Amino acid sequence: EAEVAQSPRYKITEKSQAVAFWCDPISGHATLYWYRQILGQGPELLVQFQDESVVDDSQLPKDRFSAERLKGVDSTLKIQPAELGDSAMYLCASSLLGGRGGGSNEQFFGPGTRLTVL
Amino acid sequence: AQSVTQLGSHVSVSEGALVLLRCNYSSSVPPYLFWYVQYPNQGLQLLLKYTTGATLVKGINGFEAEFKKSETSFHLTKPSAHMSDAAEYFCAVSQLPLDMRFGAGTRLTVKP
Repeated sequence: EAEVAQSPRYKITEKSQAVAFWCDPISGHATLYWYRQILGQGPELLVQFQDESVVDDSQLPKDRFSAERLKGVDSTLKIQPAELGDSAMYLCASSLLGGRGGGSNEQFFGPGTRLTVL
Repeated sequence: AQSVTQLGSHVSVSEGALVLLRCNYSSSVPPYLFWYVQYPNQGLQLLLKYTTGATLVKGINGFEAEFKKSETSFHLTKPSAHMSDAAEYFCAVSQLPLDMRFGAGTRLTVKP
């Protein structure tokens, strides 16, 4: 069964360091999402790609966060420099369609990367 | 704007008892509604979704939810809880094609 892959699963870093997370969506999925999930809360969208283009990054702290999906397949989310408040689970998800077409907007989630900033 | 409110951050039931997890939403247009489950240190897995048509939606693992437009609710139920149902449950609403909002989650504990 096709799955969304993420690595690493766990990352511990010190504040002011740079970290990067990688996501490989399900093959053929045009839309890719990065979410941040703080402990005890629901996921919050950071950035959304349609193929290689960013369609929503309104909640991405652009002074320290960046995301790319150069070839419209896998994606990297980077934080530089990391801050204590960035400790969270970072989830990647993908969906076949970016719009409502057909009525399905099901997102398939990867296992996440748990980041701890010391 | 759209939003989701999950009533009760923590629900505890006995094994075999009814599970009821509450979700209310706000949306200016007919929404798509979802329930996801998350086990510790894992990603989210779709339980069920409402798009159009029948308002009672059946999902995996014996869960179902009913879309009630007049009450703006989409509560999740399961007739008989199993120990393996212990997890975090998230309700989500999608209004625009490219926008999904999640509730804060409800942690379900199942007592033997």
